[in-house]
Amino acid sequence: DAGVIQSPRHEVTEMGQEVTLRCKPISGHNSLFWYRQTMMRGLELLIYFNNNVPIDDSGMPEDRFSAKMPNASFSTLKIQPSEPRDSAVYFCASSSRTGEGSPLHFGNGTRLTVT
Amino acid sequence: KQEVTQIPAALSVPEGENLVLNCSFTDSAIYNLQWFRQDPGKGLTSLLLIQSSQREQTSGRLNASLDKSSGRSTLYIAASQPGDSATYLCAVIGSSYKLIFGSGTRLLVRP
Repeated sequence: DAGVIQSPRHEVTEMGQEVTLRCKPISGHNSLFWYRQTMMRGLELLIYFNNNVPIDDSGMPEDRFSAKMPNASFSTLKIQPSEPRDSAVYFCASSSRTGEGSPLHFGNGTRLTVT
Repeated sequence: KQEVTQIPAALSVPEGENLVLNCSFTDSAIYNLQWFRQDPGKGLTSLLLIQSSQREQTSGRLNASLDKSSGRSTLYIAASQPGDSATYLCAVIGSSYKLIFGSGTRLLVRP
C-alpha cells in the first residue's frame, strides 16, 4: 500500500499563474478530501468527493479554486489565477467510506508558495 | 457550527513522563473522533479513532477517551519518549461528514 500520493511536493509560482495539484488516493478508498493548512487558520476542509462525486465544496474559498475527480484513482485541485494569500500546504486524504468508522489517510502534502 | 479546541497549544516535558492532551468540541452529535500526529513537513498520521458509541481506544502507549455528553476527549501518552515529539491534532466528524480539526498541541519530549 503506497498510501496517498500527492504531487508536486513543492510548488513555487508567480501571482496570476495557474497551479494544479494532484492526488492519487489509496486504492479501494471511495472518499477523497482536499484540505489546506496554514499557521493562521489551521486545517480547513476545501472539498470532498464520495465515489468521484463532489459532495460538499462549501470550503472552497473562491471561484479561483476548482477540483475534479475524473476517476477513482485521481483528483486535481486547480487555482487560477493564483494569489500570494493562497500560499499554504495543501493535503489530500482518502478513506474507505465517509461517516463513522473509517480513519482518514493523508498524503504528505504540496507546499505552495505564490510570490 | 462545530468548533474543536485543543489545550494546551504547546507542551514540553522530560522523557519518561506521562502526559494528557485535551480536546473539546461544541456539538456532541458526532460519529467519531480521531487523534492524529503530524511531524514537521509531513502529512497527518491517524493514531486512534473512537466511535461515538465507544468510551476509549488504546494503542500501545496511547489511550484516547471520549465523553460525548461533555464534548471532551483526552489523549494519554504513557512513558513519553523523544520520538513522541510532534503536533497532535484531534478531529471530529458529524452528520455533515466533514472532519473538523482542532489547532493542535505541539509536544516536545526532552531527552
